[in-house]
Amino acid sequence: NAGVTQTPKFRVLKTGQSMTLLCAQDMNHEYMYWYRQDPGMGLRLIHYSVGEGTTAKGEVPDGYNVSRLKKQNFLLGLESAAPSQTSVYFCASSYSAVTGGNTEAFFGQGTRLTVV
Amino acid sequence: DQQVKQNSPSLSVQEGRISILNCDYTNSMFDYFLWYKKYPAEGPTFLISISSIKDKNEDGRFTVFLNKSAKHLSLHIVPSQPGDSAVYFCAATTYNQGGKLIFGQGTELSVKP
Repeated sequence: NAGVTQTPKFRVLKTGQSMTLLCAQDMNHEYMYWYRQDPGMGLRLIHYSVGEGTTAKGEVPDGYNVSRLKKQNFLLGLESAAPSQTSVYFCASSYSAVTGGNTEAFFGQGTRLTVV
Repeated sequence: DQQVKQNSPSLSVQEGRISILNCDYTNSMFDYFLWYKKYPAEGPTFLISISSIKDKNEDGRFTVFLNKSAKHLSLHIVPSQPGDSAVYFCAATTYNQGGKLIFGQGTELSVKP
């Protein structure tokens, strides 16, 4: 019973490098999300998806791209990493919109990314 | 502009006493609210939620109160236990944008034995 799995768990990048964070869920959830957590800022939504093949911008989308080619996977890409993208990234998924019973969002354990 | 605010970064409570965590929001369109709990090195986990048509929701030791006119919600934990020590985030969304959870900054609760 894996739930939401994020890969990798830790990464150090040099400024300008690119990378992709992978999120996989095995709960057949329609909705998937990427958040970043910074000290004093809580969790901020980067991008989200309401189904396979769909993506939408969240609160802080600049500098990131996403893709949802398969229902179970949601990829977050950084094309040219910047020190401001140093953060802890969380992926989450939910069965449907988080507005009712049994539609809570389940989170992965996070990816700690440092850009130097 | 922070739409959901938790103005207390930390709270310390004695075991057995009540813990009250507060959250304010500015967007009057929010109509569904949630609390998440987060331990270090783990992802947040869902704790309790409330719809704007209610003013109270209870689940065991946890109760969430919603005051729509004040745009304020609070989480009460009674009695508090050391295992409740964690960071608590409140979050808000709208029914027509249920995919977009907006989180507060979090409050770190420490329950001392």
